Amino acid sequence: DSGVTQTPKHLITATGQRVTLRCSPRSGDLSVYWYQQSLDQGLQFLIQYYNGEERAKGNILERFSAQQFPDLHSELNLSSLELGDSALYFCASSPGGTGENTQYFGPGTRLTVL
Amino acid sequence: AQSVTQLGSHVSVSEGALVLLRCNYSSSVPPYLFWYVQYPNQGLQLLLKYTSAATLVKGINGFEAEFKKSETSFHLTKPSAHMSDAAEYFCAVSTWANNLFFGTGTRLTVIP
Repeated sequence: DSGVTQTPKHLITATGQRVTLRCSPRSGDLSVYWYQQSLDQGLQFLIQYYNGEERAKGNILERFSAQQFPDLHSELNLSSLELGDSALYFCASSPGGTGENTQYFGPGTRLTVL
Repeated sequence: AQSVTQLGSHVSVSEGALVLLRCNYSSSVPPYLFWYVQYPNQGLQLLLKYTSAATLVKGINGFEAEFKKSETSFHLTKPSAHMSDAAEYFCAVSTWANNLFFGTGTRLTVIP
């Protein structure tokens, strides 16, 4: 158990819909990262937050957004869902924002778009 | 820019045999390197990491990796494979910005 929690574990929805994925980081960690794992794209970095502020952006679509709240939990919002958004979404956390900060991963949320 | 190449999307070894999973990296600055393991229907678990200290890094479950700057490699090894090692293994690189760039993964099968 990494100490990172994600809810829900599974999500099934329809095209065009909007969903919210939730992540709680390890106690004391200030950084939260979101990754997408799909068969065709592999594991891709989406976005990073550090202590409530956006720190870095990766291959995140404009239809996707995220935020980190004062209690440091984070939410990833996916809207206007398409079939290709079906994937495993991981959250990771680390103590700091830069430098050598080992990331610890949650169990993931499996999103299926029908 | 940083990137990782994992040679061999599938590797099969016999139980008790040497495990060798290959990873080559590309980085314009000194990298931090990681190996993660993913068991079926689970998240990513850190096996080991290189952060510019010792070049031979020991991790959990008997795995180790050696950082070779001249070869830009960070191959993962284990002297004797166990059935429980069957999983997908990911090599990843990061720099000061801390974002991880992952390889495409290597699925390890252990044959009894």
